[in-house]
Parts: sequence; structure tokens; C-alpha cells
Amino acid sequence: EPEVTQTPSHQVTQMGQEVILRCVPISNHLYFYWYRQILGQKVEFLVSFYNNEISEKSEIFDDQFSVERPDGSNFTLKIRSTKLEDSAMYFCASRVGTGDYEQYFGPGTRLTVT
Amino acid sequence: GENVEQHPSTLSVQEGDSAVIKCTYSDSASNYFPWYKQELGKRPQLIIDIRSNVGEKKDQRIAVTLNKTAKHFSLHITETQPEDSAVYFCAAPSSSNTGKLIFGQGTTLQVKP
Repeated sequence: EPEVTQTPSHQVTQMGQEVILRCVPISNHLYFYWYRQILGQKVEFLVSFYNNEISEKSEIFDDQFSVERPDGSNFTLKIRSTKLEDSAMYFCASRVGTGDYEQYFGPGTRLTVT
Repeated sequence: GENVEQHPSTLSVQEGDSAVIKCTYSDSASNYFPWYKQELGKRPQLIIDIRSNVGEKKDQRIAVTLNKTAKHFSLHITETQPEDSAVYFCAAPSSSNTGKLIFGQGTTLQVKP
């Protein structure tokens, strides 16, 4: 069964550094999402992406964040200058398209900012 | 605004007992209600979902009920087993039409053998 994949599984970085989290959504899916989960808390929406552009972003998704789909398969989340409070699990998700609501989550990247 | 409330935050049951987790949502336009199970350090996994045109859906030991008038939906797990122990999240899509999911706060279910 096709799965969403994410790399790396764990990223440790120093405050102020840039990180890029990578995702490969399921190949025939058209809608892509990033969510964040701080340890012990709920999953929070960051951004949605469709037709090569951001369709919605949350208050968390400020100017330090950006997303890209540089080719036909990868979907990346970049944090330009990491802060301690960016430490969290970041999940990528994708879904097929209109009328099919089910979102498939990747295994997540644990980001630790020191 | 968009909001999903989930109760209880923790639930402890004996193996074989039933467990019920409840969620309420604020957006009356929501029409899809998934439940995710998340084991420690793992991704949320969809275990069951329901569309707004039905009131109940069952899959073996798991069922979900939906009351659109009251804007709440519930997860029912019967004959619980230790491997059901996990954090369960309900979710509902926002009205923004992007498909983004608003998650509840999560319920930590512990099934004691």
C-alpha cells in the first residue's frame, strides 16, 4: 500500500539555523499538508498546498516558514531561523482530491532545536 | 471560530470493557469526521471515519456515531484489548474548503490487562 514518507526521522539543530524537512506524498494525491505536534499536545495545522501554491496557512506559519514542491514528488517545509519553540514533531499529509477527505500521514520528523 | 473539543483527556478501562470518547465541533458545515489512533512516537493512523450523511458506522470492535444537530460525534471501542492502548484524536475539517483538519486535544486510553 502506498505511504507518505518523510526524511529525516530526527533532526537536531541549533537555534537560528535553517532546516528543511522533506516529504514524499502518495503519487496520485493532489492536496498536501504540514502539521505540527508539540510533545504531549494535539496535532496542529500549519499549511495546506494545492496546485503549486499555498491554499491556507495558520497563524503559526509565519515568515520563518516556507513550503515548496520543487519537483513532481517532493514536498518540503523550510524553517529559516529556528527557535527553541519550533521543537516538535512535524507531520506531512496528503489526500487524493475533491470529494475524498481522507488524509494519509507520514511518519513524522522530530525536530529538536537546542 | 473553528474548534474541536474532546473528552475525556485520559481514560483507563479493564481489558474487555468498552471505551467511549466524545468530541464536539463548532462548524456546522463540517461533513467528515475521522478518528486517529497514535501510538507513542508514531504517526496518527486513521481507524474509522464517518460522513455527515450517516449517523453510525461500525468496523469490527470500533464504531463511530454522529449527531449533526448537537454537533457531536463519539468513538466506541468494545471488548478492549491492551493493544488498543494509545492516544486517540478526533478531527473535523474546517469550513475553508482546503481540507485542513482541526484536531481535538486527544484522549490517552489505557487498557489494563
